[in-house]
Amino acid sequence: DTGVSQDPRHKITKRGQNVTFRCDPISEHNRLYWYRQTLGQGPEFLTYFQNEAQLEKSRLLSDRFSAERPKGSFSTLEIQRTEQGDSAMYLCASSLGWRGNYGYTFGSGTRLTVV
Amino acid sequence: AQKITQTQPGMFVQEKEAVTLDCTYDTSDPSYGLFWYKQPSSGEMIFLIYQGSYDQQNATEGRYSLNFQKARKSANLVISASQLGDSAMYFCAMREGEDDKIIFGKGTRLHILP
Repeated sequence: DTGVSQDPRHKITKRGQNVTFRCDPISEHNRLYWYRQTLGQGPEFLTYFQNEAQLEKSRLLSDRFSAERPKGSFSTLEIQRTEQGDSAMYLCASSLGWRGNYGYTFGSGTRLTVV
Repeated sequence: AQKITQTQPGMFVQEKEAVTLDCTYDTSDPSYGLFWYKQPSSGEMIFLIYQGSYDQQNATEGRYSLNFQKARKSANLVISASQLGDSAMYFCAMREGEDDKIIFGKGTRLHILP
């Protein structure tokens, strides 16, 4: 068990380009979450999966954002036609359950800079 | 309305002193869970402590304890004998009822002074 892995750690892209991030959760965790964190703010919920099913999406997740978890293991988050306002840290987390003391295990995040 | 309120944007504390980080929450659901996370400059969110709404005793984990005052909807984090490595952002968070996602506050930046 090597924890939650996110790739890449940093991404600089030009406005209008598409970007894709990957998250590998802890192998036995069936729940996977994506959050976005801007400077000086707490993480904001984007979406989450139970196995391969996407169960909830935030209003923050515009049509330009799409997330997948095709086999219930790793997940990808794609942003199309990036805008400068998309610049943020994108955090992935996984969890074994959702009741009680099932806090998340977070990855180190992908820092996106749109220029 | 803010679900989680952390009123201290930043704090400076002398090493070895105890520190209390404030957190108030807002929910009408009788079943909820409260969390504290630490985020060092490296960016990773580290789980510290959890308190369930039905737990009778305040949660403790090593040097961390959660001062849970249910009537006041308060869940302050107490760090005893602070260390230089405690310098980080600290986030209070909540999970409500049947909802799965955790909602975070804006955080408090803690600076431990040598």
